[in-house]
Amino acid sequence: DGGITQSPKYLFRKEGQNVTLSCEQNLNHDAMYWYRQDPGQGLRLIYYSQIVNDFQKGDIAEGYSVSREKKESFPLTVTSAQKNPTAFYLCASSIKVGGRLDGELFFGEGSRLTVL
Amino acid sequence: DAKTTQPNSMESNEEEPVHLPCNHSTISGTDYIHWYRQLPSQGPEYVIHGLTSNVNNRMASLAIAEDRKSSTLILHRATLRDAAVYYCILRAASNTGKLIFGQGTTLQVKP
Repeated sequence: DGGITQSPKYLFRKEGQNVTLSCEQNLNHDAMYWYRQDPGQGLRLIYYSQIVNDFQKGDIAEGYSVSREKKESFPLTVTSAQKNPTAFYLCASSIKVGGRLDGELFFGEGSRLTVL
Repeated sequence: DAKTTQPNSMESNEEEPVHLPCNHSTISGTDYIHWYRQLPSQGPEYVIHGLTSNVNNRMASLAIAEDRKSSTLILHRATLRDAAVYYCILRAASNTGKLIFGQGTTLQVKP
């Protein structure tokens, strides 16, 4: 079945360690996104990518890094520079239709990161 | 990015219709209105979107005001599985495709 797979589902990290969250999609979607969600809050955009080998910062990119070497993969690294990394991380993708990205977003099931 | 305003929470009885309002007074002419919903500890799920005309799909209906400054998501018969946080979002048609989420409306459905 087509969809978005995020791994791991749960992750614990010690302070000062970098950690990479995986996001893979087999929907052949052009664009991919990373969001962060804190308890009781809406989603905030970290990074997004419209095409392979290109990505842009969202509203809260500090302390995070991404790469887009393949169309189907968009990993997110939470670095030690991120001051408060404990959160629920969501990856999404969308297709480009007629050169535009205005259709629906498809989300993964999320990765919950806890810093000990 | 234009902003939306939604009530923090709403309640409904099972089997009854639910009207979830959204104000977006600063909407531009090319912004699409999107609705997503999110169950606890899951990723958001697309519900519906529209530009100017009312829209229907298997999940819900979207009623858009004539001046486009407000819209209403209509669930025709609420079920317990419809209990979720509902997000109303404006999406520029340009574009990056990015969505800016607000706080959303938490819908409780009572049996």
